[in-house]
Amino acid sequence: QVQLMESGPGLVQPSETLSLTCTVSGFSLTSYNVHWVRQPPGKGLEWMGVMWSGGSTDYNSALKSRLSISRDTSKNQVFLKMNSLQSEDTTTYYCARETWYFDYWGQGVMVTVSS
Amino acid sequence: DVVLTQSPATLSVTPGERISLSCRASESVDTYLHWYQQKPNESPRLLIKYASQSISGIPSRFSGSGSGTDFTLSINGVELEDLSIYYCQQGNSLPYTFGAGTKLELK
Repeated sequence: QVQLMESGPGLVQPSETLSLTCTVSGFSLTSYNVHWVRQPPGKGLEWMGVMWSGGSTDYNSALKSRLSISRDTSKNQVFLKMNSLQSEDTTTYYCARETWYFDYWGQGVMVTVSS
Repeated sequence: DVVLTQSPATLSVTPGERISLSCRASESVDTYLHWYQQKPNESPRLLIKYASQSISGIPSRFSGSGSGTDFTLSINGVELEDLSIYYCQQGNSLPYTFGAGTKLELK
């Protein structure tokens, strides 16, 4: 069955770089798009960016200067890297499969930015 | 960017009643408007795709309507398990955007 699972550090120091991994199963990264979406505690959902099935990427313009999304199709993994983290980046990060709509989501990983 | 405005922000409900939630887009998104339910400490769950298409496994009391800029999610006979936050999302153009959500609470 389709599954997505985010992994990464729960705590990141301010100004450092966040690295997250989304490991997928039950589908191919070359057939489906995978997005990153984040949600601050008690707040709404923010789209961050996408790894298209063809291998290209698009980013939220508000994050574009700090964000990079890549993948390893042999490992069924999509990666997120975001630098210069600040307290406002304390949030839950989700990866989600998209076919015009987000039909499967990971469980999310909570990341706290703090010294 | 397409701004999605959801109303009301909070809705107090009584089990069994029929309710409607609104999502208005700042420009036309055709029918590329989808609805999600999110319960505390859970990931969002797809409820309705393309404004009105049902999703396998989702109770039939959930339905959607609309096109262009005005959309509605209806719940026909609210149940206690429906007390959640509901988000709309447009997939018509990048950046994909979400509404701020409508929270259903018990009256």
